[in-house]
Amino acid sequence: DGGITQSPKYLFRKEGQNVTLSCEQNLNHDAMYWYRQDPGQGLRLIYYSQIVNDFQKGDIAEGYSVSREKKESFPLTVTSAQKNPTAFYLCASSIGAGQVDEQYFGPGTRLTVT
Amino acid sequence: GDSVTQMEGPVTLSEEAFLTINCTYTATGYPSLFWYVQYPGEGLQLLLKATKADDKGSNKGFEATYRKETTSFHLEKGSVQVSDSAVYFCALTEGQKLVFGQGTRLTINP
Repeated sequence: DGGITQSPKYLFRKEGQNVTLSCEQNLNHDAMYWYRQDPGQGLRLIYYSQIVNDFQKGDIAEGYSVSREKKESFPLTVTSAQKNPTAFYLCASSIGAGQVDEQYFGPGTRLTVT
Repeated sequence: GDSVTQMEGPVTLSEEAFLTINCTYTATGYPSLFWYVQYPGEGLQLLLKATKADDKGSNKGFEATYRKETTSFHLEKGSVQVSDSAVYFCALTEGQKLVFGQGTRLTINP
């Protein structure tokens, strides 16, 4: 079955620690995205990548970092510089390669920082 | 930048009622338009899409028509079920990105 996996589903960290969220896809998609969702709000774009070894900042990139060393993987690191990291994080992918198409979403990781 | 505005929620209806969730957009070009649905604790699933003016997207009894003249993409369903309870997001393409509305929470009572 093709799809996007995110792990873990729930993650707890102490303030001041960096944490890395995993996102893997086996859809052979070029483009991948990270969104943040806060209660009662829409999705806000953190980072996106159209191709391996390249990525762009989204609307709320401060305090986050990403890498794209493999086509299948797009991990997100929430650094200690992110002032309010507790949120639901969603990874998505799309065909990319210049095509405008729908995005496919993973099940999400709920991060709680105390 | 481009933007999407959805009707404020939450929306509560009885089973078998008619549903409309309004969505209007602002865009400089001719975006594709989408409706996504999110069930509690899950990611988003594509519900339907339309890629050009006057296209109608439909799926699972839901439908929406791309109206360029009114810059709208309202979601409708003739008879809702309890299982339709979820949060619904309208979105448009801006370059290689999606821009989402704030979401509308729908609750269907039996």
